[in-house]
Amino acid sequence: GNSVTQMEGPVTLSEEAFLTINCTYTATGYPSLFWYVQYPGEGLQLLLKATKADDKGSNKGFEATYRKETTSFHLEKGSVQVSDSAVYFCALSSTGNQFYFGTGTSLTVIP
Amino acid sequence: DTEVTQTPKHLVMGMTNKKSLKCEQHMGHRAMYWYKQKAKKPPELMFVYSYEKLSINESVPSRFSPECPNSSLLNLHLHALQPEDSALYLCASSHPSTGKNEQFFGPGTRLTVL
Repeated sequence: GNSVTQMEGPVTLSEEAFLTINCTYTATGYPSLFWYVQYPGEGLQLLLKATKADDKGSNKGFEATYRKETTSFHLEKGSVQVSDSAVYFCALSSTGNQFYFGTGTSLTVIP
Repeated sequence: DTEVTQTPKHLVMGMTNKKSLKCEQHMGHRAMYWYKQKAKKPPELMFVYSYEKLSINESVPSRFSPECPNSSLLNLHLHALQPEDSALYLCASSHPSTGKNEQFFGPGTRLTVL
């Protein structure tokens, strides 16, 4: 079956620190992989995506590479800002119009 | 237009009330979704509509009744809810062509059941 395992939070970092949030997946077939971000009181926003092995998704300084050999899609950012404080969800989509979400990782960035 | 809109933003209702949540998109997407999200948890899928037909119902209680009047609109009718149904209700849409496309989410309706 399909599932996503995501690093447990919460994560607290100082401004300008390096961020990694781990995500691994189990899937039948060849899924697409996503990172979504949810700011307090809002819906989910697509942060980045990758649709095939070795693709790198990037947006707003965040990056993640689709690694088929390790079934991973870790989220990284070189220098976080206070405005990056949010909950981050890793997700996969395989055939059938269904998404599978990780449990979410809460990030707090302190000045 | 790359937006999914939801109304109302907040809703407070008693256990005997009947209310509806509305969702709209004009991106030409033919798959639409309802999710329920509790605090600090991932969204839980409730219903999926594909080409205006209900394709997935994740064993949701009958006090939640979805409706897809046309390709742009999605409603969720609520009746006789329980306090544990209080949550953020999210609507999303996507292209259903491959089933692997990103979903676009609305801002959600914050529902409180008294």
